[in-house]
Amino acid sequence: EAQVTQNPRYLITVTGKKLTVTCSQNMNHEYMSWYRQDPGLGLRQIYYSMNVEVTDKGDVPEGYKVSRKEKRNFPLILESPSPNQTSLYFCASSLGGPQPQHFGDGTRLSIL
Amino acid sequence: AQKVTQAQTEISVVEKEDVTLDCVYETRDTTYYLFWYKQPPSGELVFLIRRNSFDEQNEISGRYSWNFQKSTSSFNFTITASQVVDSAVYFCALSEGANTGGFKTIFGAGTRLFVKA
Repeated sequence: EAQVTQNPRYLITVTGKKLTVTCSQNMNHEYMSWYRQDPGLGLRQIYYSMNVEVTDKGDVPEGYKVSRKEKRNFPLILESPSPNQTSLYFCASSLGGPQPQHFGDGTRLSIL
Repeated sequence: AQKVTQAQTEISVVEKEDVTLDCVYETRDTTYYLFWYKQPPSGELVFLIRRNSFDEQNEISGRYSWNFQKSTSSFNFTITASQVVDSAVYFCALSEGANTGGFKTIFGAGTRLFVKA
């Protein structure tokens, strides 16, 4: 089954404790992206990747890191999480940048 | 800079009513792509339609139709004879090329649609 898998689905943690949210897709898609969803703001793009080893900033990259060492994986790293990063995060993938995106089920992060 | 505005925060209709969700976008590019996604109460995001900037043909898919007008920078979505299962948050999105060669995507804030039985 074609899918984008995110882990964990839920995480409560504390300020400053490094965390990684993993994202994996099995569709051989070149384009992958991370978004955060906050009430009243819709989805905002954090980072995207056009292909392996090619990443670029979206609109809200501050406080986040990503890497794309393999085509299928695109982890999101919060080196020193802060409460304003409490949000619902979605990973997505597509055949290419302007193509329809397939989304993971989301990861709800709470940073205390 | 690119921007997507969905001015309607929430809409409530009674089943079988028609409803139109508005989307207005801003972009400097001549080549861009517009999307609609649906997020039902279960939370997943589902792709509905994509339009590129060179294709202003309206589209109909069952009870759904989309009206793309470059002259007004709008890409509106109409649900005909709404059903309770249409209750969801609907997002309009714009993708355009970035200076670095990639494609950035901007989403609107979403419109929450309630369809009452």
